[in-house]
Amino acid sequence: DAKTTQPTSMDCAEGRAANLPCNHSTISGNEYVYWYRQIHSQGPQYIIHGLKNNETNEMASLIITEDRKSSTLILPHATLRDTAVYYCIVRVAGGTSYGKLTFGQGTILTVHP
Amino acid sequence: NAGVMQNPRHLVRRRGQEARLRCSPMKGHSHVYWYRQLPEEGLKFMVYLQKENIIDESGMPKERFSAEFPKEGPSILRIQQVVRGDSAAYFCASSDGQGNFGNTIYFGEGSWLTVV
Repeated sequence: DAKTTQPTSMDCAEGRAANLPCNHSTISGNEYVYWYRQIHSQGPQYIIHGLKNNETNEMASLIITEDRKSSTLILPHATLRDTAVYYCIVRVAGGTSYGKLTFGQGTILTVHP
Repeated sequence: NAGVMQNPRHLVRRRGQEARLRCSPMKGHSHVYWYRQLPEEGLKFMVYLQKENIIDESGMPKERFSAEFPKEGPSILRIQQVVRGDSAAYFCASSDGQGNFGNTIYFGEGSWLTVV
């Protein structure tokens, strides 16, 4: 699986947009970019995923660069409840190992009043 | 639409006892995964199962750990002769296995095992 690099921590003011970057320069053409978050003492929560087009859902937007070597997760109006560890994951497509998500250290996002 | 259900949420075992963790996947999901999160560490993949089959167990410790997903009933992660180092959060996840590469894996709330 391609390796991802994320900043260790970020701060964001409540109500502002939170932009979380992720570098995945070795991504292969058939690998998806997934984002999960983990609030303390809870299970990872799926946020969004994409292949090469930008994606948006009720939680967030995902912007993937044209060369697919990096992406940005955008939480448009961060709230205190968005404080969590955010994981950017590149997922192998197909085969018996496609269920194996490799979680790195993630980005600790702290939303403050 | 119930999510991935895990029980027990918290389990305390003495060293040498057995721990059994159960996981019911989301409705319609036939693929189950187990992950472990040691204190202050990231989640690590353990095993991937489909009904009655182990697909990938590359993350399972070689001894004392086993997993199953029978034709009927929940998936079970079994840890025999637990040691203090087994104390961790164990997360189950599931997916529907459809649509090739883009199907999403959803996680449960975890089972916290404490070995005393």
